[in-house]
Amino acid sequence: NAGVTQTPKFQVLKTGQSMTLQCAQDMNHNSMYWYRQDPGMGLRLIYYSASEGTTDKGEVPNGYNVSRLNKREFSLRLESAAPSQTSVYFCASTLLGTNEKLFFGSGTQLSVL
Amino acid sequence: DAKTTQPPSMDCAEGRAANLPCNHSTISGNEYVYWYRQIHSQGPQYIIHGLKNNETNEMASLIITEDRKSSTLILPHATLRDTAVYYCIVRVARQVYNQGGKLIFGQGTELSVKP
Repeated sequence: NAGVTQTPKFQVLKTGQSMTLQCAQDMNHNSMYWYRQDPGMGLRLIYYSASEGTTDKGEVPNGYNVSRLNKREFSLRLESAAPSQTSVYFCASTLLGTNEKLFFGSGTQLSVL
Repeated sequence: DAKTTQPPSMDCAEGRAANLPCNHSTISGNEYVYWYRQIHSQGPQYIIHGLKNNETNEMASLIITEDRKSSTLILPHATLRDTAVYYCIVRVARQVYNQGGKLIFGQGTELSVKP
């Protein structure tokens, strides 16, 4: 089992460029999440998908869009990257129920110049 | 979901117990307490969770006060590899398929284990 896989691991963009961060999980989890983490700060929720076919905004959704492509995959898109979006992005997933452990990917380090 | 308050940093001597507090005074009766940790530049890792009884697993123990307004994560014999940021989260556990909700992390406690 690979768990939660994020691609790419590193990316450098110029201001205004677009890109999609990919996330896939092989644990048959219902819910998936995108977080960002900036230096010295905790994790902030961007968007989440409670189940296949649904997405909802988190704490900091501006400048991002998401797609829950199927049960396995949840992508995060930056349509017009800005330097303020320089961050480490983490994808996570969980199985709904009383034991909702979050499983995280290893992160994508994004720099916007 | 209830808000949590944690000290920003703590130190612990290697081999001693690390006791990390978390205040969640507005917790509701159906909200669980979860603990995660994040070792530098890695994705966060689940540690333990509980509702009202104390819990123990191979990584740690979780002590929840009787009024459930606070909890303590205990690492019984801290090692240098336990140096990390520890996050306390409270949230409702959803048992219905389409009622998964957002999980909000706070600032956490940066634990430094020193030789």
